Amino acid sequence: RKEVEQDPGPFNVPEGATVAFNCTYSNSASQSFFWYRQDCRKEPKLLMSVYSSGNEDGRFTAQLNRASQYISLLIRDSKLSDSATYLCVVNLRSGGSYIPTFGRGTSLIVHP
Amino acid sequence: DAGVIQSPRHEVTEMGQEVTLRCKPISGHDYLFWYRQTMMRGLELLIYFNNNVPIDDSGMPEDRFSAKMPNASFSTLKIQPSEPRDSAVYFCASSLGGHGYEKHTEAFFGQGTRLTVV
Repeated sequence: RKEVEQDPGPFNVPEGATVAFNCTYSNSASQSFFWYRQDCRKEPKLLMSVYSSGNEDGRFTAQLNRASQYISLLIRDSKLSDSATYLCVVNLRSGGSYIPTFGRGTSLIVHP
Repeated sequence: DAGVIQSPRHEVTEMGQEVTLRCKPISGHDYLFWYRQTMMRGLELLIYFNNNVPIDDSGMPEDRFSAKMPNASFSTLKIQPSEPRDSAVYFCASSLGGHGYEKHTEAFFGQGTRLTVV
């Protein structure tokens, strides 16, 4: 079982739609959680951190459920520019360090 | 800060040749990671350094792969000899770690090196 699992998609949605991505992780000792965005032929970039209480940044909402080891990302009012791959990232504990471990990514295509 | 800088951006080489990828992390970051990304396997961690010391290289696929970090501002990933199955995008990333069990900051990525071995 992979340490961080995501539905690869693709999710194909019309502009204005609401779309949700899920991610599960296997290591209960994980400390930090993030969503990254990766555009085609570009490097991954931080979209937002995920906090225990849930957090929102404009149209984006992230949730963390430690008991179920589950992270989610909700995108409201999708824009064409949201088309990208969204990577779930969990800092997994390794000795005294926490190592960024990536899911395979979920592909989102927003069409007119 | 210019961010994480990788070179070259693209590399095309023949099977059997030596390939060296270079990375300059963000100044002040004490963790450096080398990842490989392919369609089949996604982003895989190859090796990471803490304060220039290699900590875990269990992700390095074979002895053909080696990595060094001679100082806080430079790291290399070398493949010798290269094979067609090494073709991938190689990313370097850096982050600021806490002490003990404190959490890390997020990882910042370079633009990657797209390697093609023919």
